[in-house]
Amino acid sequence: ETTLTQSPAFMSATPGDKVNISCKASQDIDDDMNWYQQKPGEAAIFIIQEATTLVPGISPRFSGSGYGTDFTLTINNIESEDAAYYFCLQHDNFPLTYTFGQGTKLEIK
Amino acid sequence: EVQLVESGGGLVQPGGSLRLSCAASGFTFSSYWMSWVRQAPGKGLEWVANIKQDGSEKYYVDSVKGRFTISRDNAKNSLYLQMNSLRAEDTAVYYCARVGAVTPTIDYWGQGTLVTVSS
Repeated sequence: ETTLTQSPAFMSATPGDKVNISCKASQDIDDDMNWYQQKPGEAAIFIIQEATTLVPGISPRFSGSGYGTDFTLTINNIESEDAAYYFCLQHDNFPLTYTFGQGTKLEIK
Repeated sequence: EVQLVESGGGLVQPGGSLRLSCAASGFTFSSYWMSWVRQAPGKGLEWVANIKQDGSEKYYVDSVKGRFTISRDNAKNSLYLQMNSLRAEDTAVYYCARVGAVTPTIDYWGQGTLVTVSS
C-alpha cells in the first residue's frame, strides 16, 4: 500500500509569490498523482490530474510536476483567492482504493 | 453542473447508527463509481468506501469493515453510507465523491456532512 507524505503542513505567502507544495510517494506510482483545492465550507475542486495536466477551467497559475515518487504543485503569482487547503491523492486499481496526503493549509498575508 | 449534496449527519452516541445520503445531479449517476471519504477534526482525508456503477463491487478501508455499508439507488440518483457500531474515532466530516470515467480518480466532491460520535 502506497503512503503519501505531503509538505509543508502550513505555509504563508504574499500576493505575487510563487509557492511549491510537495507530495512524496512511498513507492513508484508513475504519474498517478492528483491535486485538489478546498476552501472552508465548500466542495473540493480538482485542479491537477495525472501529475501534470491542468483540469479544464482551472487557472494556468496552477501547475503540477513530477513522476514516480516525487511530485510538486506550483502556484505562480499567488492571489488572495488562493488561500485554501490543498491535498494530493493517488489511487490503487485492484481493488480501487485511495490514499491522501496530509494536506497543506496555504495562508495569504 | 455536477452536484453532490450530502445529508444525514448529526450527533450520535457510541455504539449507535446513522445513515448518510448523497443526492447526485448533473450527470448520469448510474455510469460512475462513487466513493465516501472522511476527514476527522484536525486530520487529513481518509478514503472510506467505494461502490461500482451497478453495486456489484464494494470496497472499504479496514477500520470500517463489518460496521459500514455503502449502497446506491440508481433510480433515485442517490448514494448511501449505513454506519453501525459507531465509535468516537468515526467523528468526521463525511464527503460524497464521484470517481472519474476515464481515469479512476476522484473528480467531483460534495460539501460534506458532519458526524459526531459522543456521549
